[in-house]
Amino acid sequence: QKEVEQDPGPLSVPEGAIVSLNCTYSNSAFQYFMWYRQYSRKGPELLMYTYSSGNKEDGRFTAQVDKSSKYISLFIRDSQPSDSATYLCAMEDSNYQLIWGAGTKLIIKP
Amino acid sequence: DGGITQSPKYLFRKEGQNVTLSCEQNLNHDAMYWYRQDPGQGLRLIYYSQIVNDFQKGDIAEGYSVSREKKESFPLTVTSAQKNPTAFYLCASSMESPDEKLFFGSGTQLSVL
Repeated sequence: QKEVEQDPGPLSVPEGAIVSLNCTYSNSAFQYFMWYRQYSRKGPELLMYTYSSGNKEDGRFTAQVDKSSKYISLFIRDSQPSDSATYLCAMEDSNYQLIWGAGTKLIIKP
Repeated sequence: DGGITQSPKYLFRKEGQNVTLSCEQNLNHDAMYWYRQDPGQGLRLIYYSQIVNDFQKGDIAEGYSVSREKKESFPLTVTSAQKNPTAFYLCASSMESPDEKLFFGSGTQLSVL
């Protein structure tokens, strides 16, 4: 079993929809949780960064961490075609190394 | 503009050949990293360096080598010992490891002829 599980998709939704992207994990020691966005054949870029449980909002993006369920989510409101990309979750272990999910491919249809 | 530059964008390797991927950053970052990305898998750490003239192996260092002679540069050599080198290679940097934000280059796609 992988330490971080992420549905590869693709997830296809119409423009304007609310998108929910998720990761589950097995290591209860993870403290920092990140979401990166990666356009095709480009490097990932950091979208959201949260510590421990709770919510964090930045514009149309909300990151949610539920440590009791070992589950993190990224919500995108009013989705745009430019949001079409692969979304990677990443978590920091006790050795300060990042453990990455495989990424979910998101397609926003105009 | 500050950033990380990877070159070449595409690289082809013949069997038995060593190839070197370039990574240069002008962000004045201390730490630099090399990741490998395969379809359906998360990013896997190959090597990282927190300071000039020092580097550590990541999870999948076998068949790879690096050097860090300058703060700005962290080249990765894929040796002939790496039997499955076809992948998308990403270089990243951060101000100080490990909690700082990672900045990534645009990647190099390596394929075997």
